[in-house]
Amino acid sequence: GENVEQHPSTLSVQEGDSAVIKCTYSDSASNYFPWYKQELGKRPQLIIDIRSNVGEKKDQRIAVTLNKTAKHFSLHITETQPEDSAVYFCAATSYGQNFVFGPGTRLSVLP
Amino acid sequence: DVKVTQSSRYLVKRTGEKVFLECVQDMDHENMFWYRQDPGLGLRLIYFSYDVKMKEKGDIPEGYSVSREKKERFSLILESASTNQTSMYLCASSTGTVAEAFFGQGTRLTVV
Repeated sequence: GENVEQHPSTLSVQEGDSAVIKCTYSDSASNYFPWYKQELGKRPQLIIDIRSNVGEKKDQRIAVTLNKTAKHFSLHITETQPEDSAVYFCAATSYGQNFVFGPGTRLSVLP
Repeated sequence: DVKVTQSSRYLVKRTGEKVFLECVQDMDHENMFWYRQDPGLGLRLIYFSYDVKMKEKGDIPEGYSVSREKKERFSLILESASTNQTSMYLCASSTGTVAEAFFGQGTRLTVV
């Protein structure tokens, strides 16, 4: 089955700096790679996703890149703000089934 | 808006009890999932279902079973609750076409 690894487990950045979180997956059949943000006491919410036929996607300060050959995908947050502080999860799935998440990255944006 | 609703926000059960966690979604999604979330371990998949009466084991199915008799409802069953099943349980649903998973609000289960 699918296995998703995620690094780093914790990340502290100064406000205004960039943050990068990296994930790897094992199942070459996976074709959808979402990123979720979970604030304390709340449910995970989708922030950006990428499909296997696309190499990069950007939405304002957030971007995701995918390298299918290496089975790597990454989340990039630019101009970080205190409200970006949360736990971020990457995931991989094939057509929405067997939705497997990475262990999460706790991002702290320091003022 | 997609709504995924879990029947309880907090539950306290005794060791050995049979526990039912219920999840209902209102968007006709084919896929439904149960995860447990523990500090430092992320979201671990217990079971998922891609159709009524169909189920697949996730990474940590031991001690759990599931039931999906109707498309909108997915139940997680702890046959004999143990203290190591104390955790936050999250239900989610998705479709094959869109694939985004929508989460319920979570059930914090404490087994004493």
